[in-house]
Amino acid sequence: DQQVKQNSPSLSVQEGRISILNCDYTNSMFDYFLWYKKYPAEGPTFLISISSIKDKNEDGRFTVFLNKSAKHLSLHIVPSQPGDSAVYFCAARDPNSGNTPLVFGKGTRLSVIA
Amino acid sequence: GAVVSQHPSRVICKSGTSVKIECRSLDFQATTMFWYRQFPKQSLMLMATSNEGSKATYEQGVEKDKFLINHASLTLSTLTVTSAHPEDSSFYICSAHAGGWVQYFGPGTRLLVL
Repeated sequence: DQQVKQNSPSLSVQEGRISILNCDYTNSMFDYFLWYKKYPAEGPTFLISISSIKDKNEDGRFTVFLNKSAKHLSLHIVPSQPGDSAVYFCAARDPNSGNTPLVFGKGTRLSVIA
Repeated sequence: GAVVSQHPSRVICKSGTSVKIECRSLDFQATTMFWYRQFPKQSLMLMATSNEGSKATYEQGVEKDKFLINHASLTLSTLTVTSAHPEDSSFYICSAHAGGWVQYFGPGTRLLVL
């Protein structure tokens, strides 16, 4: 049973427009959410995170929104740039899980078209 | 952010040989590291959790005798693919917590078994 779901395997956006990547989760105990970006043949790099006590966190062109009642979070990238083309993974932390790893979604491939 | 390195970045070996991949936390100590593999165009698959000074915890379906994990120090974990076969060809990535919720990933190791 997948606890973190990214239902869109891919997304194409024109350069300069907004990219919105979505993520849903099922475990209400998750207290911390993260977004990672991954280029081919490289390890994922941490992008931005949000605590469950907040509903928005912004860092430059990247903003993450959290809707706890809907168990939904989204990553907004604006304006989108060709260099943003990558696979984006949503991840969540269960505070009751000790030293176990984050729970990852399957990823969404973003293509920003020039 | 914290830096995790992997060595080698790429390795080609003959079927039946063993390959060792190193994962190092360069600027922090990691009591726990995680090993993932990623097949082309698929998401990250957690293989095992590596605990310093104790046995690794393997995910269901991962053969512990085939994928030997040794976490001998707080900055080094190794994954040895024993008697490698072509189906073991994949992209192997390690990660570690750096004292917070964020998991930092290494750059990955591309293994090709001929």
